[in-house]
Amino acid sequence: DAGITQSPRHKVTETGTPVTLRCHQTENHRYMYWYRQDPGHGLRLIHYSYGVKDTDKGEVSDGYSVSRSKTEDFLLTLESATSSQTSVYFCAISTGGEAFFGQGTRLTVV
Amino acid sequence: GESVGLHLPTLSVQEGDNSIINCAYSNSASDYFIWYKQESGKGPQFIIDIRSNMDKRQGQRVTVLLNKTVKHLSLQIAATQPGDSAVYFCAENENFNKFYFGSGTKLNVKP
Repeated sequence: DAGITQSPRHKVTETGTPVTLRCHQTENHRYMYWYRQDPGHGLRLIHYSYGVKDTDKGEVSDGYSVSRSKTEDFLLTLESATSSQTSVYFCAISTGGEAFFGQGTRLTVV
Repeated sequence: GESVGLHLPTLSVQEGDNSIINCAYSNSASDYFIWYKQESGKGPQFIIDIRSNMDKRQGQRVTVLLNKTVKHLSLQIAATQPGDSAVYFCAENENFNKFYFGSGTKLNVKP
């Protein structure tokens, strides 16, 4: 999977709690992305990063924040999880061309 | 965000036949397009890409066609096999920045 590791792979959390998902890459790619995947919506971009400490919002960024303090790690934080954030989350990396995806994190907010 | 959509949510084909999956996009400034395959429980996998200065690109058993005039992208799979059963997504990208994805087409290959 192109040297991408997402953790955890599965998580169940309660409404109102903070959650952090981690994406780790060993490819030294510049660009990193967080997507969520829901039935009927395909993959929707949450946030992306174009370098260390350089991030920008995607199309569904409300309720999420990100940080990239090192090239290899891109963290996605749900400040206060809601049931609408139950989803499968995918991290992707790119050098500017094709994007390579991780295996996904299934998050359930109860 | 950008609008990238697919005409058919589900496509069923007979093993050995050719498959064609279509995609429409709305951003005329998009200059890079990718087709991904996603199997159940896995992340999307790259199949083939095409830049906007091309109208056709061929890979192994797959061909991507780009029609910029009508903003249409298609993926052709030759001699479809059971292992091709999956969900297929098109994605568009402008200036190697953000990727936007369509909602996906499920391909069922009947033996």
